[in-house]
Amino acid sequence: EVQLLESGGGLVQPGGSLRLSCAASGFTFSGFAMSWVRQAPGKGLEWLSGLTGSGGDTYHADSVKGRFTISRDNSKNTLYLQMNSLRAEDTAVYYCAKAEGRTYSNYYFDYWGQGTLVTVSS
Amino acid sequence: QSVLTQPPSVSGAPGQRVTISCTGSSSNIGADSDVHWYQQLPGTAPKVLIYLNINRPSGVPDRFSASKSGTSASLAITGLQAEDEADYYCQSYDSSLSGWVFGGGTKLTVL
Repeated sequence: EVQLLESGGGLVQPGGSLRLSCAASGFTFSGFAMSWVRQAPGKGLEWLSGLTGSGGDTYHADSVKGRFTISRDNSKNTLYLQMNSLRAEDTAVYYCAKAEGRTYSNYYFDYWGQGTLVTVSS
Repeated sequence: QSVLTQPPSVSGAPGQRVTISCTGSSSNIGADSDVHWYQQLPGTAPKVLIYLNINRPSGVPDRFSASKSGTSASLAITGLQAEDEADYYCQSYDSSLSGWVFGGGTKLTVL
């Protein structure tokens, strides 16, 4: 059974940093691209970052480029999101998601974690 | 403003049919990127409902179907049930943004 378990969320002050983790199990972690998606309170889903199975290629939405960094440790079956220079508008539930598909143009997210809440406030 | 445009809300009575549209552009749906649909029940993580434009994962009732044409896609739900009340999102890949994009979401209310 595929399981994704996020951790690392919490309250952080504006300008601060936080690192989220996503522990994966139930599938060959290194064989799949992964992504982070967030949802601000009462708002829709926003794709943030993605990376290939090897971690060699990474992608970030313009809204977080230069501030957030996605990475993975395939030896630990864990996905990370390093978040720096946090702003109030980064307050959201952050989900990790497993990607399925052959090419970028058809990737979709077939498994999601339960999410971890990040609150940016003074 | 989302790259993929969905109506904010739709509603229907039990047993009725509703459709949810997802309008993109020549850099995503119109560029032959596939469209996927997710259902998010209140307080839970999203769940894939339709993948690769028309396919249902096992366990998703055949009351849910979808189509894609040109720069748009559509999700149809027939025989509406109270349990279908949720938020629905479309998703695709945008070649101009070099990333994946979601629609703004549509809240389905079963009257």
